Amino acid sequence: KQEVTQIPAALSVPEGENLVLNCSFTDSAIYNLQWFRQDPGKGLTSLLLIQSSQREQTSGRLNASLDKSSGRSTLYIAASQPGDSATYLCAADLLYGGSQGNLIFGKGTKLSVKP
Amino acid sequence: KAGVTQTPRYLIKTRGQQVTLSCSPISGHRSVSWYQQTPGQGLQFLFEYFSETQRNKGNFPGRFSGRQFSNSRSEMNVSTLELGDSALYLCASSPTTGTGELFFGEGSRLTVL
Repeated sequence: KQEVTQIPAALSVPEGENLVLNCSFTDSAIYNLQWFRQDPGKGLTSLLLIQSSQREQTSGRLNASLDKSSGRSTLYIAASQPGDSATYLCAADLLYGGSQGNLIFGKGTKLSVKP
Repeated sequence: KAGVTQTPRYLIKTRGQQVTLSCSPISGHRSVSWYQQTPGQGLQFLFEYFSETQRNKGNFPGRFSGRQFSNSRSEMNVSTLELGDSALYLCASSPTTGTGELFFGEGSRLTVL
C-alpha cells in the first residue's frame, strides 16, 4: 500500500532563506508526483508536476526533484517570502499508464515565513 | 479560462440528513475526482468520473455516491450524515490526455451537527 510522508510537519523560517521540503513514498511505481499549495480554508493550487520519466521541474523560485529509486521528492523554495506561508502538500499518482485522479497525499508541511 | 467551481461553499446539516455537492470542471476537462479533507486523515480519495462513468473509487462506505453528467459536471451525495462526515470536500478536474495534472476547486465545507 502506497504511503506518502512529509517531513517536517511544520517549518518556520525568516524571510529570504532558501528552504527544502521533503516528501517520501513507499512504492516507486508512480505515474507522476505533484506538489500543491493550500492556504487556510482554501482549495489546492498546483505548483509543480513531475512525471515518472523526469527528474525535476522548475517554476520561478520553485524547483521540485524526483528520485524514484529512493522514493523521495523535494521541493526547493529560493529566497522565501511571507507570501509563501501556506501548507505544502505532495501527492503521488499511482496508476502507471494513465492517471485516474487517485492521488495519495502526504499530510503536508505547514510553512511560516517571518518578515 | 474559468477554474473548477464548487457549490455550495459552506453548509451545515444535522445527523441523519443527506447532502448533495456540485462541481463544474474546467471547460474541456472530462475527468472529475472528489476528495475528502479532515484534520485527522488529511486528503482522501473518494471517486473519479470520466465520461459519466465511475472509473475509480476510494475506501468509503456506500453512503458516499456520485455521478457525472454529459456536460462533465459532477455531483456527490452523502446520505445519512454522521458527525465524522464534517470535512472539506474538494473536487478536481483533469484534461482527457496529458500528464494527469489535477486542478482543484475551493471546496465545499460541510459541518454536521
